[in-house]
Amino acid sequence: DAGVIQSPRHEVTEMGQEVTLRCKPISGHNSLFWYRQTMMRGLELLIYFNNNVPIDDSGMPEDRFSAKMPNASFSTLKIQPSEPRDSAVYFCASRNTGGWGNEQFFGPGTRLTVL
Amino acid sequence: AQSVTQLDSHVSVSEGTPVLLRCNYSSSYSPSLFWYVQHPNKGLQLLLKYTSAATLVKGINGFEAEFKKSETSFHLTKPSAHMSDAAEYFCVVSFDYKLSFGAGTTVTVRA
Repeated sequence: DAGVIQSPRHEVTEMGQEVTLRCKPISGHNSLFWYRQTMMRGLELLIYFNNNVPIDDSGMPEDRFSAKMPNASFSTLKIQPSEPRDSAVYFCASRNTGGWGNEQFFGPGTRLTVL
Repeated sequence: AQSVTQLDSHVSVSEGTPVLLRCNYSSSYSPSLFWYVQHPNKGLQLLLKYTSAATLVKGINGFEAEFKKSETSFHLTKPSAHMSDAAEYFCVVSFDYKLSFGAGTTVTVRA
């Protein structure tokens, strides 16, 4: 299995530009998560999808952030317009539900730098 | 509510000596507990998990952890550290889909 795939691995953009991060979950997993990691705040859950439906988006910082999951094998996280404080590593994770303690499998992350 | 406290922000060991990373948890329910490792500029990799089966859990790369309910602890150990163990380690408690991460422990391995 290729694991969770994220692209791009690195993104450098200027303030005000639109940024789109992409994620392909592990085949057969029905839950997908987007996290943000910063030195100051650690790992934060941004949004959780189950069966392609957003279940919990309470962690999305503000309206500049949006996420979609059009099908079971693809999700995007979009920031428009981007700001320097959005600079962070963004992780996508997936898992199977239906059992207690099922671990989440993390992708390699996208390191975003907004200048 | 659940939370995790990692008692050491940084641990330094010599290669070949034991490693101990301490974790205490708080959970209103029977917890699922995990240890993840993050190498520099990499994603998080699962080391091991506890889900109410055996209290001593064996993971990858020689790591193991013991769940002690009376002490609300889930400490991670390895008998002999290797240079490749240098990384950041996260203790995590789970309820349903939500993960609560500890602040992380950075492990340095001296040659």
